[in-house]
Amino acid sequence: GEDVEQSLFLSVREGDSSVINCTYTDSSSTYLYWYKQEPGAGLQLLTYIFSNMDMKQDQRLTVLLNKKDKHLSLRIADTQTGDSAIYFCAESVHEGTASKLTFGTGTRLQVTL
Amino acid sequence: NAGVMQNPRHLVRRRGQEARLRCSPMKGHSHVYWYRQLPEEGLKFMVYLQKENIIDESGMPKERFSAEFPKEGPSILRIQQVVRGDSAAYFCASSQNTGELFFGEGSRLTVL
Repeated sequence: GEDVEQSLFLSVREGDSSVINCTYTDSSSTYLYWYKQEPGAGLQLLTYIFSNMDMKQDQRLTVLLNKKDKHLSLRIADTQTGDSAIYFCAESVHEGTASKLTFGTGTRLQVTL
Repeated sequence: NAGVMQNPRHLVRRRGQEARLRCSPMKGHSHVYWYRQLPEEGLKFMVYLQKENIIDESGMPKERFSAEFPKEGPSILRIQQVVRGDSAAYFCASSQNTGELFFGEGSRLTVL
């Protein structure tokens, strides 16, 4: 079955790096995603990685994928107060034309001064 | 190019009433998905529709919930005889083919 797990809370100081971790169980996952949700808002896609990649970097964001351990992480460099939000990891298995996502429970990132 | 539009943003219903949530996908998108987010939880898949067809409703509760995506007009998620446990944020997403999902800002249902 599909299950995605994340730690619930992370607190970092402004300027430090944040690392948010995620584990998943479905070995047939094709894409893995990181979404950001600010209070009262919808989900914003931050980045994604295809399952045959190990790493992807996009400005301050670095995604690492360990497919053997089914572990995904998101590193945010030089964390800013505007990065405070809930971060969701999600996986998809493209079956035919479906893009159904399975989400983790979200990690609340708190950035302190 | 407007994003995914959901309305109402906030809806309050009493137990036993009906709730109707609407979603207009992004222009050019023919795939619509509904997700539910219970308080302090992640999003759970409910249903996937294309125009006039339900493709996958494996996440829909068996009773009281229905969804449609007519040829003309928005997708509708309908909840009959609401109960307190239906209180949640309901997110719609759309995609073009099997590509990236774009999410709306959600409709927050409160059942009194």
